Amino acid sequence: SAVISQKPSRDICQRGTSLTIQCQVDSQVTMMFWYRQQPGQSLTLIATANQGSEATYESGFVIDKFPISRPNLTFSTLTVSNMSPEDSSIYLCSAGRSDTQYFGPGTRLTVL
Amino acid sequence: SQQGEEDPQALSIQEGENATMNCSYKTSINNLQWYRQNSGRGLVHLILIRSNEREKHSGRLRVTLDTSKKSSSLLITASRAADTASYFCATDGSGNTPLVFGKGTRLSVIA
Repeated sequence: SAVISQKPSRDICQRGTSLTIQCQVDSQVTMMFWYRQQPGQSLTLIATANQGSEATYESGFVIDKFPISRPNLTFSTLTVSNMSPEDSSIYLCSAGRSDTQYFGPGTRLTVL
Repeated sequence: SQQGEEDPQALSIQEGENATMNCSYKTSINNLQWYRQNSGRGLVHLILIRSNEREKHSGRLRVTLDTSKKSSSLLITASRAADTASYFCATDGSGNTPLVFGKGTRLSVIA
């Protein structure tokens, strides 16, 4: 299995500000994935982060709103920019090994 | 977009009973994975079943896959209060491809 850590675990932010979430994997992986889970909902993929290239975003998600960095094979960040209350969600990163994907503990974001 | 539909959406059972959750999906898959999520925390990987497999066991968990019906089921036997969580099926994740999640089943096990 893979051990994935995220920080912060939770945050309460003001409207209009930005928050950067960090994700660390215990070993090198090619791809890392960022998901959003809105209250009471399932997980939706935001983007795929490949080291050394720009992230690939899913429909409905844009780089200006959710910039992603992937500086090396064990680390990635997701920034939620110019936040609004609609951005209140759990944000999760994941990474795969063989056919299995493992998840970090998530970041619970509340925007006031 | 969601690949699958879990059913039921919510399930409440007594401790010691068995819990069965079903997942249906829309397109052909290479594998299907089940995850557990406690109280909005991170997802815990439970079991992976490949498209050429029909059944897998892990402790008190039994997963079946019927590719002709595009469906899977997760059975938890002899449930415990600690099994209370949301359970999600997800298709076709790997080291290089993202998962597509179903809507999840909220399981409550009452002591």
